[in-house]
Amino acid sequence: RKEVEQDPGPFNVPEGATVAFNCTYSNSASQSFFWYRQDCRKEPKLLMSVYSSGNEDGRFTAQLNRASQYISLLIRDSKLSDSATYLCVVNRLGGYNKLIFGAGTRLAVHP
Amino acid sequence: DGGITQSPKYLFRKEGQNVTLSCEQNLNHDAMYWYRQDPGQGLRLIYYSQIVNDFQKGDIAEGYSVSREKKESFPLTVTSAQKNPTAFYLCASSSIVGSSLEAFFGQGTRLTVV
Repeated sequence: RKEVEQDPGPFNVPEGATVAFNCTYSNSASQSFFWYRQDCRKEPKLLMSVYSSGNEDGRFTAQLNRASQYISLLIRDSKLSDSATYLCVVNRLGGYNKLIFGAGTRLAVHP
Repeated sequence: DGGITQSPKYLFRKEGQNVTLSCEQNLNHDAMYWYRQDPGQGLRLIYYSQIVNDFQKGDIAEGYSVSREKKESFPLTVTSAQKNPTAFYLCASSSIVGSSLEAFFGQGTRLTVV
């Protein structure tokens, strides 16, 4: 079993749709959580950190459920420019710092 | 401007050759990482380092080597023992203390074996 698992998609949605991505992690020692966005043939870039209380940044909302070891990302009012791959990332501290990436979920927003 | 720089952007290697990919950061980050990405796939961890002169193998370290002689630098050597080296290589760095633990990436190096 992979340490961080995501639904690979692709998610094909029309403009204006709401879409949700899920991510599960297996190591309970994980302490920091992030969503990254990766455009085709580019490096990943931080979209948002995920906090226990949940956090929102414009059209994007991230949630963390430590008990279920589950992270989510909600995108409202999808734009064409949201088309990308979304990577769930877990930072496992304690002993040796290690960043673990999920395989990513591909989103395609169409007119 | 603070950031993380990888070079070269594109690299061509003949079979049997070793090549070294450069990664430099001026963010004062302690942790640095190397990932490999194949087309349509996620990032796989090759090596990571949290302190100078120390580094750990990731999930796919075979055929690769690294050094961490300076905090700012974490070069990756792709050796001839790596049987399928053609891929997109990404270097990242992060802090290990405080509240901002997210990783910052370089622009990547595309390695092609010819």
